[in-house]
Amino acid sequence: DQQVKQNSPSLSVQEGRISILNCDYTNSMFDYFLWYKKYPAEGPTFLISISSIKDKNEDGRFTVFLNKSAKHLSLHIVPSQPGDSAVYFCAATRGGTYKYIFGTGTRLKVLA
Amino acid sequence: GAVVSQHPSRVICKSGTSVKIECRSLDFQATTMFWYRQFPKQSLMLMATSNEGSKATYEQGVEKDKFLINHASLTLSTLTVASAHPEDSSFYICSASSGDTEAFFGQGTRLTVV
Repeated sequence: DQQVKQNSPSLSVQEGRISILNCDYTNSMFDYFLWYKKYPAEGPTFLISISSIKDKNEDGRFTVFLNKSAKHLSLHIVPSQPGDSAVYFCAATRGGTYKYIFGTGTRLKVLA
Repeated sequence: GAVVSQHPSRVICKSGTSVKIECRSLDFQATTMFWYRQFPKQSLMLMATSNEGSKATYEQGVEKDKFLINHASLTLSTLTVASAHPEDSSFYICSASSGDTEAFFGQGTRLTVV
């Protein structure tokens, strides 16, 4: 039972444009969401997070939007840069724990 | 940010041998550490939650006799893959919480069992 899903396995975007990565979840008990970036053979690197009491969080080029009614969140990267090319995972947790449930990942390729 | 070090980064072992992977929080005390496994082109699957000084809590379907976890101190957790077989070949990643709102991940360990 995949509680966190990323339905797009890959995405290609032109440099300078916006990248939008999507994530859906099924468990309404999740109250904290995170996005991680991962390169092959490396551990994930934290990007940005959002609490369920918010609907938007912004940090530089990265913005995360949360739509609780739709159980959907998205990560916007603008402007996209070639160095952003990686696999992006969304993760969810609840109750203040660090026990993350990860989505299946989206491979982003930013074309120069 | 906080640093989590995982060692070794890569290990090749013969079928039937045991392999130990270490996860250390270098600049903070981690009362809880987590172990994940990632198959190629798949998500990171949580294997177990490791609490300092107590038995680990395993996720459904994870063999606790195969994946032995020890969390002896606030800065070190170990995962031992007992009697490893080729199907245990995978990428193993640990994470540790510093008390902030996100956990920090180690660099991962690529295990290949031949």
